[in-house]
Amino acid sequence: AQSVAQPEDQVNVAEGNPLTVKCTYSVSGNPYLFWYVQYPNRGLQFLLKYITGDNLVKGSYGFEAEFNKSQTSFHLKKPSALVSDSALYFCAVRNTQDDKIIFGKGTRLHILP
Amino acid sequence: EAQVTQNPRYLITVTGKKLTVTCSQNMNHEYMSWYRQDPGLGLRQIYYSMNVEVTDKGDVPEGYKVSRKEKRNFPLILESPSPNQTSLYFCASSFLAFNEQFFGPGTRLTVL
Repeated sequence: AQSVAQPEDQVNVAEGNPLTVKCTYSVSGNPYLFWYVQYPNRGLQFLLKYITGDNLVKGSYGFEAEFNKSQTSFHLKKPSALVSDSALYFCAVRNTQDDKIIFGKGTRLHILP
Repeated sequence: EAQVTQNPRYLITVTGKKLTVTCSQNMNHEYMSWYRQDPGLGLRQIYYSMNVEVTDKGDVPEGYKVSRKEKRNFPLILESPSPNQTSLYFCASSFLAFNEQFFGPGTRLTVL
């Protein structure tokens, strides 16, 4: 069965420092990987995705993610964090064998001024 | 404006009283999906639909029904709600399953 793990419930980063939010996955076929962000009292917004091609994917608001097939990881990164990046971040995966989409449990990111 | 709309946004009901949460999208998307969000559990897919008249179970379908009679609409039906269905529900749509999803604003449901 496919699954997504976000090992950290919360990540704290000082403003201006680089940030990483971790995601590992397990699928039986090739993965389609996504990151979404949820601001307080809002729906989810798409950040970026990996389908195929370059392992480094660039997305919205300066975020990027690196697909690592051998480690089955898709960590979200940003070179310099902003206080406005504080939110709940979700990693999601869809495999190529069915159309289900599995989300991780989410990581709350706190950017400290 | 491209959007996914859900109604109602908030609902308090009692055990056993049938309810429907509507979902509509104006982007001509093929794929639609319902999720529930619970603290510590993230988002879990309830049902999804690849196209009109095509629906499939997600990971937590028990106690829910859906229908897809028109491409734009994907209502979620709780025939006999129970307190464990108290949750925040999101509808989402995308062109296909491997495209990014657009999410509705959410429906907060409380079942007493």
